[in-house]
Amino acid sequence: DAGITQSPRYKITETGRQVTLMCHQTWSHSYMFWYRQDLGHGLRLIYYSAAADITDKGEVPDGYVVSRSKTENFPLTLESATRSQTSVYFCASSGTENSPLHFGNGTRLTVT
Amino acid sequence: GQNIDQPTEMTATEGAIVQINCTYQTSGFNGLFWYQQHAGEAPTFLSYNVLDGLEEKGRFSSFLSRSKGYSYLLLKELQMKDSASYLCAVMDSNYQLIWGAGTKLIIKP
Repeated sequence: DAGITQSPRYKITETGRQVTLMCHQTWSHSYMFWYRQDLGHGLRLIYYSAAADITDKGEVPDGYVVSRSKTENFPLTLESATRSQTSVYFCASSGTENSPLHFGNGTRLTVT
Repeated sequence: GQNIDQPTEMTATEGAIVQINCTYQTSGFNGLFWYQQHAGEAPTFLSYNVLDGLEEKGRFSSFLSRSKGYSYLLLKELQMKDSASYLCAVMDSNYQLIWGAGTKLIIKP
């Protein structure tokens, strides 16, 4: 089925470990985004991509790395996880720069 | 700086009408979005306003006044399933989305 899927849904990792969150979409959308959502904050943009091989920093990029070698995939890597990165992470995509976002189901990450 | 304000929480009764307000100050404007987010789930798109006025979509309507930096989401004939958070987001002149913290709507029978 067409859509946007994230994996894993839940992840527990230890401080200092590297962890990669996966995002895959089947619409061939140009734009893809990574957000984190924490209580008391709105969605905060980590990184986004306007096309394959084009990525840009968002509001809170420190400690995260992204890549986009294929249009459909946009993995997010935490190079050395910290407790402050405990959050719910949402991947989203859109066809154009001002069209509505389609969100994945989210990854709940806990860093111990 | 850029800012979106919306109430943190609202309570309403099943069958009633509720209006959720959103005020914004952004660098430019390329549209305003409303999303619904049920607890533990992803946000889903509700409405988009780029011109002043009211957009109606079934039980939900969204209003925009660009001169006042103001929007509201109107929900009619409230149902228990409308209990959720409602997120207001404004697209600025660089096509970046600025998000409000969301309004948690509690529906009571």
